Formats: sequence, structure tokens, C-alpha cells
Amino acid sequence: AQSVTQLDSHVSVSEGTPVLLRCNYSSSYSPSLFWYVQHPNKGLQLLLKYTSAATLVKGINGFEAEFKKSETSFHLTKPSAHMSDAAEYFCVVTMNYGGATNKLIFGTGTLLAVQP
Amino acid sequence: ETGVTQSPTHLIKTRGQQVTLRCSSQSGHNTVSWYQQALGQGPQFIFQYYREEENGRGNFPPRFSGLQFPNYSSELNVNALELDDSALYLCASSFLLGPGANVLTFGAGSRLTVL
Repeated sequence: AQSVTQLDSHVSVSEGTPVLLRCNYSSSYSPSLFWYVQHPNKGLQLLLKYTSAATLVKGINGFEAEFKKSETSFHLTKPSAHMSDAAEYFCVVTMNYGGATNKLIFGTGTLLAVQP
Repeated sequence: ETGVTQSPTHLIKTRGQQVTLRCSSQSGHNTVSWYQQALGQGPQFIFQYYREEENGRGNFPPRFSGLQFPNYSSELNVNALELDDSALYLCASSFLLGPGANVLTFGAGSRLTVL
């Protein structure tokens, strides 16, 4: 069975400081992994995805994540936080649900607060 | 290109009632998925539709049902509402096959409150 565990439910950083949101995954085979962001009253937006190409994945808005198979981790980072980064972030793994169906399995989310 | 739109944005129902939520897919996408997001939780997969037929289902009872129309829009129907059905219901569209198959475009959701 596939799953993801987000290690922090809340993270608070100061504007201009680095962001680290932690995610561990469990998968019986090579997974596809994603990070989505959810701003209040807006749809989930894809930040980046890993699909077995380069292990360091660059996404939108300066975010990146590194796939580490030995640690079963896919942590999300950003060098310098901006006030607009305050939102909820979800680590996601896909499960090929038989045939061509792709089912996303979401973590429980990490709420990022950015202090001025 | 248009995104995914959902209606209504908010609604309140009472236990035992039925509800229909609607979704318009992003232009060009042929697959629609529905997710339930309870307060403080990550979204959970309800089901997926392709070519107007259910193409995968999560751990939800049969009172959760759906439709997909020839224009790829979709409905989620929930019968015999229970208090625990209170949640944000998210619709997402995508392609079924190819490199974009697991890249979903989500709508802003319909927030259902069951009293």
C-alpha cells in the first residue's frame, strides 16, 4: 500500500528565511510524488512533481523538492519565504489504481505561517 | 484555457437529505475525479469518471454516486446525508493517459454542511 506522512502539521517561519516542509512516503514500487498548495477559498495548485527523472525537482514560485529513495523522503524547500507562501501544503503520492486510473493519496497537510 | 469550476460554493443540508454537486472540467480534459476533504484533513479519493463511466472508486459507500456527461462535466450525488458528510468536495480534471495523466487540475470546491 502507498502512503505519505507529513511530519509537521504546522510550520512557522519569518519572511526571508528558508522553508522546509517534510514528507516521508511508503510505496511498494517506484512512486510518483507531488506537492500541492492550497490557499484559502482556492483550488489545490500543483507546485511540483517527481516521476523518476531527476531526483531534484524544481517547481513554481521558487520551491523545490529532492527525492531520496534511501530515506524514503520528498521534502519541500524554498530558500527565502514570502508572505504569499502562507498556505496549506500537501505531499501526495499516486497509486495506479488498476488500468489507467490514477488515484492521488494525500498527506494530512502542513500549514505554513510566514511572519513579517 | 478555462479551469475547473464547481457549484455551488457553499450549501447547507439536513441529515437524510440528498445533494448534487456540479463540476465543469478544464477544456480538453477527458477525466474527472472527486475528492472529499474533511476539516483539517487531506483530500480523500471518492471516484473517477472517464467516458461517462466510473473508472475507479475509493472507500466510500454506494450512496455516493456520480455522473459524467458527454461534454466531460460531472455531478456528485450523495443520498441520505450524514453529519460526517460535512466537508469540502473537490472536483479535479485530467487526461486519462499520457504524461499528464496524473497531473490534476482542481476546482475551488463545494463546502457542504450537514446539520
